[in-house]
Amino acid sequence: DADVTQTPRNRITKTGKRIMLECSQTKGHDRMYWYRQDPGLGLQLIYYSFDVKDINKGEISDGYSVSRQAQAKFSLSLESAIPNQTALYFCATSGSTSGETQYFGPGTRLLVL
Amino acid sequence: AQSVAQPEDQVNVAEGNPLTVKCTYSVSGNPYLFWYVQYPNRGLQFLLKYITGDNLVKGSYGFEAEFNKSQTSFHLKKPSALVSDSALYFCAVRDKAGGYQKVTFGTGTKLQVIP
Repeated sequence: DADVTQTPRNRITKTGKRIMLECSQTKGHDRMYWYRQDPGLGLQLIYYSFDVKDINKGEISDGYSVSRQAQAKFSLSLESAIPNQTALYFCATSGSTSGETQYFGPGTRLLVL
Repeated sequence: AQSVAQPEDQVNVAEGNPLTVKCTYSVSGNPYLFWYVQYPNRGLQFLLKYITGDNLVKGSYGFEAEFNKSQTSFHLKKPSALVSDSALYFCAVRDKAGGYQKVTFGTGTKLQVIP
């Protein structure tokens, strides 16, 4: 969905490096989410935010941090990347007008060597 | 705790035949139910949802799903499969209870439509 963009789309990094994944949305939604997708595991929620001043941990937040810079921007950081953080990362948004439906970005494929 | 099960990792169907992708769920209260589709190198796209009302829900691209409360199922169906329907399909559930409720996704079912 072009309304939700993620940068970069692909990233290779080394163990111990700090990296940031960025998400922007033009849907005007107040809620934003970061998920991780691993083969055979579905999507796991890392963090979610209901507005700029509201940040909440999801089910797998260890090793990750987030920043909600504005209503439209939500970034995910890996403070010290490790190989088992190799995965596909998705940002998603939802709002009061979307009826609980989430809208996903195209994903960032991360490889940690 | 809520959960979603997609019992088939992969479903193969011939083009033109009807298709079904299965989903069962568990929540403590009443559910919101969703189907999403993921094409290669793309994010998940919303297909359809059940909130309340008619148990048969119609969505995008000719897909529909039937909410069955007694069997706690929400199977995705299409009368005639297209090769372009080949993708990864995710079922998701959240409890209707007030306040924030996490959405739980299934592990996905790969649909392969054979020409």
